[in-house]
Amino acid sequence: TQLLEQSPQFLSIQEGENLTVYCNSSSVFSSLQWYRQEPGEGPVLLVTVVTGGEVKKLKRLTFQFGDARKDSSLHITAAQPGDTGLYLCAGVSAGGTSYGKLTFGQGTILTVHP
Amino acid sequence: DAGVIQSPRHEVTEMGQEVTLRCKPISGHDYLFWYRQTMMRGLELLIYFNNNVPIDDSGMPEDRFSAKMPNASFSTLKIQPSEPRDSAVYFCASSLSGYLNTIYFGEGSWLTVV
Repeated sequence: TQLLEQSPQFLSIQEGENLTVYCNSSSVFSSLQWYRQEPGEGPVLLVTVVTGGEVKKLKRLTFQFGDARKDSSLHITAAQPGDTGLYLCAGVSAGGTSYGKLTFGQGTILTVHP
Repeated sequence: DAGVIQSPRHEVTEMGQEVTLRCKPISGHDYLFWYRQTMMRGLELLIYFNNNVPIDDSGMPEDRFSAKMPNASFSTLKIQPSEPRDSAVYFCASSLSGYLNTIYFGEGSWLTVV
């Protein structure tokens, strides 16, 4: 069974601070996705990283895929209250009957205080 | 375009009762997923369909759970009989075929079994 561990589980910071969320696994994934979920809604895809070592930027968010494709990080610069939410990483399986199957981490609840 | 539509949004039922959750995927999408989200276990894949055919139901917890997709625009997840430990948010999601295509989630059905 492929497992993804996210850390930290909870993060409470002040507006303007920087933060990093980590997603780690002992398994190799063909790609990794990051989602953001707001209360009362379903997760929404932010980004997909595919290549080991890949870095993608989405405004103030920077996503990195580890060289070995076992880990990833999400870095937010100058966090804003609108960034508050649950951040989920999900590993994408590539082989056999698990093709395209997503394995989700437990999530990181981020609260940004004004 | 309308997103993934789920009903009911909220349901409170008594232990032992049958629960039916409904989902209308995004038109044209050929993959449909049912997920369950709880604080303890996070987001878990229960079952997914491709072209209305169940592909992987290994996440279905037990025989009390069943899912059907009679046509491309409708799916149900049924729990019979329901138990308090089934209380969770159940998400339906859909996507187009093709590796790395975006999965779109519905807003979820909040189930409480008392």
